[in-house]
Amino acid sequence: GAVVSQHPSRVICKSGTSVKIECRSLDFQATTMFWYRQFPKQSLMLMATSNEGSKATYEQGVEKDKFLINHASLTLSTLTVTSAHPEDSSFYICSASGLGQPQHFGDGTRLSIL
Amino acid sequence: QKEVEQDPGPLSVPEGAIVSLNCTYSNSAFQYFMWYRQYSRKGPELLMYTYSSGNKEDGRFTAQVDKSSKYISLFIRDSQPSDSATYLCAMSESNYQLIWGAGTKLIIKP
Repeated sequence: GAVVSQHPSRVICKSGTSVKIECRSLDFQATTMFWYRQFPKQSLMLMATSNEGSKATYEQGVEKDKFLINHASLTLSTLTVTSAHPEDSSFYICSASGLGQPQHFGDGTRLSIL
Repeated sequence: QKEVEQDPGPLSVPEGAIVSLNCTYSNSAFQYFMWYRQYSRKGPELLMYTYSSGNKEDGRFTAQVDKSSKYISLFIRDSQPSDSATYLCAMSESNYQLIWGAGTKLIIKP
């Protein structure tokens, strides 16, 4: 149980492109979804937290107009990196949790901006 | 001082050995403690989830929480090469946002 699916797993695109990443909870209702960024050999850095039907709460230093998060249903959240630039290249990971449950993670999206 | 301290390693042990991974923390309000395993280029996988103090066992894995010492451990028995990964501890006051350790890279030598 507790499967989280994240797509795509790998994206390579040109600078200026917007990229959408999907995160789905397949077998449970995710009241909360989290988006992280991870740099090589470092731990996870929380970018934002979203509750279904509410606006996302962004961590300090994360541009909400740059990283658009939508959590329209209890099983789907999306992260859109708008007008991506090379410095946005990173490993993005989502997680989902049901009420009172621990976070379960997707397999991540490796984003490379040329 | 970080809220959660975890030795990044790498920790290298021979196959079959008992592995001990640890984290210390400073916030006495933490109540939820987790261990995740992360393989290269993959998302973290939840291994153990513990509320408050005590021990929890699942197969070859045992998690211990000592709140009086602010110390948590993960033991892996009969370690296998497939256990080679980065192990991340995480903890929380309210089972909501997690505070992460740096992760320990574990290498099991055949």
